[in-house]
Amino acid sequence: GAVVSQHPSWVICKSGTSVKIECRSLDFQATTMFWYRQFPKQSLMLMATSNEGSKATYEQGVEKDKFLINHASLTLSTLTVTSAHPEDSSFYICFTRLTYNEQFFGPGTRLTVL
Amino acid sequence: RKEVEQDPGPFNVPEGATVAFNCTYSNSASQSFFWYRQDCRKEPKLLMSVYSSGNEDGRFTAQLNRASQYISLLIRDSKLSDSATYLCVVNIKNSNSGYALNFGKGTSLLVTP
Repeated sequence: GAVVSQHPSWVICKSGTSVKIECRSLDFQATTMFWYRQFPKQSLMLMATSNEGSKATYEQGVEKDKFLINHASLTLSTLTVTSAHPEDSSFYICFTRLTYNEQFFGPGTRLTVL
Repeated sequence: RKEVEQDPGPFNVPEGATVAFNCTYSNSASQSFFWYRQDCRKEPKLLMSVYSSGNEDGRFTAQLNRASQYISLLIRDSKLSDSATYLCVVNIKNSNSGYALNFGKGTSLLVTP
C-alpha cells in the first residue's frame, strides 16, 4: 500500500553543519508534501509546503534560506537544515495525502544539534 | 488564541473505563476535522475523521459541533494499548499553502491495569 519513507530517522550533528532529510512516497506520486516540526510537548507546526516543480511556500516565521526545500520529483521531497544550531533540535516530519482520508506521515526525523 | 486547543491531560484511567476528550477550534472556515493518535517519539496516525453527524468506529466515537466549534472523542472500554497522545486536527485554508492540517498539542491518555 501507499507509504511515505523518511530518512534518516535520527541524526546528531555539530552546530554549524547542514542536515538533509529525505521523504519518499512509495507506490504513489506526491504532488504536494507538507513539512512539519514538533518540539517536545508541543504541537506539530507546519513549516512549509512543497509542490513538485515549483518553489516551496513557507509559513510565517520560518526562514526559507535556513530550511531549504526541494521537490524535484513526484516521489521525493527534501528538507535541508542549513547551519544547524541547538535550537533547531526537533522532530521533523513530512506529510502528504492522496484523498480526504488517505493521509500519510513519514516516520519522522529526530534531529539533535550539539 | 491558538487555532486548535485541547486539554493536555494527562488522563489516567483504569482499563475498561470510558474517557472523553474535547477540542475547540477558532477558525470558523475550517473544512474538515480529524483525530490522530501519536505514540511516544513516533509519527501521528489517523484515528478517524469527524463529521457533523457524528461517527463511530468500534469503541471510538467522534462528534463535531460546528456552531460551537467543538470536537469530541469518546473512547469506551479503554484498553492498555489505547495509551497514547490524541491529537485534534483541523484542516484550515492557509493563504500560503492551500489547505493544511493544524494540530492541537494533544491530550495524553494513560490506561492502567
